[in-house]
Amino acid sequence: EIVLTQSPATLSLSPGERATLSCRAGQSVGNRLAWYQQKPGQAPRLLIYDSSNRATGIPARFSGSGSGTDFTLTISSLEPEDFGFYYCQQRSGWPPIFTFGPGTKVDIK
Amino acid sequence: EVQLEQSGAEVKKPGESLKISCKASGYSFTSHWIGWVRQMPGRGLEWMGLVSPNDTQPIYRPSFQGQVTLSADRSISTAYLQWSSVKASDTAIYYCARNWGSGGELFDIWGQGTLVTVSS
Repeated sequence: EIVLTQSPATLSLSPGERATLSCRAGQSVGNRLAWYQQKPGQAPRLLIYDSSNRATGIPARFSGSGSGTDFTLTISSLEPEDFGFYYCQQRSGWPPIFTFGPGTKVDIK
Repeated sequence: EVQLEQSGAEVKKPGESLKISCKASGYSFTSHWIGWVRQMPGRGLEWMGLVSPNDTQPIYRPSFQGQVTLSADRSISTAYLQWSSVKASDTAIYYCARNWGSGGELFDIWGQGTLVTVSS
């Protein structure tokens, strides 16, 4: 099982600021990494897949990068609706095991 | 519209059985496996297993093998998660999600979640 770690645990920012979230894998996952957003009381929503591809309907202010073991999710200019939790996720092996990172909370400064 | 509609919240006593459901619509149910994800109170996301819509054996995370049963009924486009005997530690929100990606490596559509509360 590949362990994912995320940093920071909490990011306190103001609307309009840039957010940079990190996800590190315990071993290479190529570019097969996804990011999800979860707001309080809601289900997760897919934001980014294959490290850098935005899912359908995701605004251009969200971007992903990275490969191998180090990945970044960037929100170029925070909107009020962007505050919440962000999780990275990967799948490995056969039979597959899906793992999520512990999450980064983005809250209002 | 592609969506997964989950059954409503459940309150159970320890030792009772439970089956929750996830009904798919807006796409061909037989084209995608369904994953189940647990979120315990105040915690992150934990993948439990995958169920095939086509009678292939489910895939369980080892820690959930023997603890839950995944199944699907393609005639009604519905996946299920069931327990034979729930415990207090099963209290959580359970999400179903459509498995997607060129290698089935992620989940693109999520149900709204089913809150399961187990308390005596």
